[in-house]
Amino acid sequence: GAVVSQHPSWVICKSGTSVKIECRSLDFQATTMFWYRQFPKQSLMLMATSNEGSKATYEQGVEKDKFLINHASLTLSTLTVTSAHPEDSSFYICSAPNSGSLNEQYFGPGTRLTVT
Amino acid sequence: AQKITQTQPGMFVQEKEAVTLDCTYDTSDPSYGLFWYKQPSSGEMIFLIYQGSYDQQNATEGRYSLNFQKARKSANLVISASQLGDSAMYFCAMREGRGSNTDKLIFGTGTRLQVFP
Repeated sequence: GAVVSQHPSWVICKSGTSVKIECRSLDFQATTMFWYRQFPKQSLMLMATSNEGSKATYEQGVEKDKFLINHASLTLSTLTVTSAHPEDSSFYICSAPNSGSLNEQYFGPGTRLTVT
Repeated sequence: AQKITQTQPGMFVQEKEAVTLDCTYDTSDPSYGLFWYKQPSSGEMIFLIYQGSYDQQNATEGRYSLNFQKARKSANLVISASQLGDSAMYFCAMREGRGSNTDKLIFGTGTRLQVFP
């Protein structure tokens, strides 16, 4: 089946620094990717929709200047957490729909971010 | 109003028994899709089963079946012959619309299933 990878799988950074998370579709093209955030013992909350060739669409309450999304190609989307703070510590997951079967979205393995 | 509601924060089931995880949804869109995902402690999201709003029959995938009751707006997941490896968080999700690359998934709060020997 289709595979979505994320890098890094975990990262620890100091408060005030920026962190970039990559999401790649390995064997299919994805014009759209989704970024989710999941706090411990909570559900996945959609942060933004990443669109290849255009600006990302952010969900209400998500700061677009803090969470920069760039859909650089048909197989790569990046999420940059700028000026990270401890409250940004979370599990970040990306997903990409299978254009051949819209009934399925493929999720990356997630990135655990810890801001100290 | 919550779009997806999972009222069971946790469930226990004995190995080899069947278990039903509840999910109700709320939408005014006649076209929608319902999904179930499994999230083990590793964090990965594993797709289990899908039900379209126009599907006449309940979806089945191996030991997983979806009890789709459209009038009640419920889409319960039934796991038959539970295995220890089924212990995980289970999320119900909904996609509104006929399905395009921009249709997003809305997730419920999840149910933690624990299978005991």
